[in-house]
Amino acid sequence: EGQLVESGGGLVQPGGSLRLSCAASGFTVRNNYMSWVRQAPGKGLEWVSVFYSDHNTYYGESVKGRFTISRDNSKNTLYLQMNSLRVEDTAMYYCARGPVLMGASDAFDIWGQGTMVTVS
Amino acid sequence: DIQMTQSPASLSASVGERVTITCRASQSIRSYLNWYQQKPGKSPKLLIYSASSLQSGVPSRFSGSGSGTDFTLTISSLQPEDFATYYCQQSYSAHALSFGGGTKVEIK
Repeated sequence: EGQLVESGGGLVQPGGSLRLSCAASGFTVRNNYMSWVRQAPGKGLEWVSVFYSDHNTYYGESVKGRFTISRDNSKNTLYLQMNSLRVEDTAMYYCARGPVLMGASDAFDIWGQGTMVTVS
Repeated sequence: DIQMTQSPASLSASVGERVTITCRASQSIRSYLNWYQQKPGKSPKLLIYSASSLQSGVPSRFSGSGSGTDFTLTISSLQPEDFATYYCQQSYSAHALSFGGGTKVEIK
């Protein structure tokens, strides 16, 4: 089974930028849809972005225009460029494989361990 | 965007009890509904996909049902390792995926 390892989190000031990475092993990101999901401290899961293809990416309303999802097939890695960061962007950021077609639905079947982003 | 509402937000139950968690979508999502389990300090784990299909390796005491707007996750006999937070998630809207607010299952 595959594995995802996130990195790049840290402490950043409001208005700053950060780029998160998600390295995949055991499968190729090129052949899969990939997403970012975040979780603020003590809160629930919030979908952030999905990469279907180079010209087919989508974002949650709270990050639209500020975050950019991308992929490097040669490195088998997914990225999340985060600009104009706000205090409310403080969260654990998870990379997930999916949506993956499963039965009559699409789900996130592999998750990374997460990387913490603190905006303060 | 499709809003997912879970109830209750939390519940207390004893080992061996039957537990039911509800998830309601703001519009019909057919069977595009998944359930995840998250334990403290861990990443989420897929339990059920397509409203009622058990992910490989998940114990059979977990089951899901529903379609359209109303869905249920049931744990037939709660075990100590089941104390966690459970989230529903819709994938009907491919451009705006969303999760429910979560249900925390605690020990009574």
